[in-house]
Amino acid sequence: TQLLEQSPQFLSIQEGENLTVYCNSSSVFSSLQWYRQEPGEGPVLLVTVVTGGEVKKLKRLTFQFGDARKDSSLHITAAQPGDTGLYLCAGEPRDSGYALNFGKGTSLLVTP
Amino acid sequence: NAGVTQTPKFQVLKTGQSMTLQCAQDMNHNSMYWYRQDPGMGLRLIYYSASEGTTDKGEVPNGYNVSRLNKREFSLRLESAAPSQTSVYFCASRPTGNTEAFFGQGTRLTVV
Repeated sequence: TQLLEQSPQFLSIQEGENLTVYCNSSSVFSSLQWYRQEPGEGPVLLVTVVTGGEVKKLKRLTFQFGDARKDSSLHITAAQPGDTGLYLCAGEPRDSGYALNFGKGTSLLVTP
Repeated sequence: NAGVTQTPKFQVLKTGQSMTLQCAQDMNHNSMYWYRQDPGMGLRLIYYSASEGTTDKGEVPNGYNVSRLNKREFSLRLESAAPSQTSVYFCASRPTGNTEAFFGQGTRLTVV
């Protein structure tokens, strides 16, 4: 059983559309992170959310941490082809001793 | 700025052979991680080291061993490679909990 469940697993949309990716767990996290991975590369951090209910914006990307600190979402407004990639959520459950766990990821394709 | 360096980048092994994947970071980070990435499975944690001198099992440790040689280096050993260990392996490091993880470029391993 995956500690962090991401949905959807695949998403294919056209340029200009909006989308939301979800990351859910039954565990409580001290923080959750979102990474983006390009083919042939390692993941790169987009954002870290720490406080329950926190909302962070990064240009057209909006990240939210659930009030109970068990889930997070990533919303992209007016998607562009450059947003194409694999989006991964990651976190370490409380009392896990720094074990950083990842979800399966959401593969996003934005076509012109 | 080297960051996290993994060697080798590519490797083909025969079933039953052994090998060690090397990872070194030059950022003075305390925590280091080994992941494997398979299609549709995201990143799965194999082993991690919260600090020099400590190692802990992750989600999928069977068939692997690790050594935290010093603060800079964290190696992953396959004692008797199996086709099921065909994967892309990523090493990562970060200063401490709740901070950004920095990844190497990955090692693409094929076991035939």
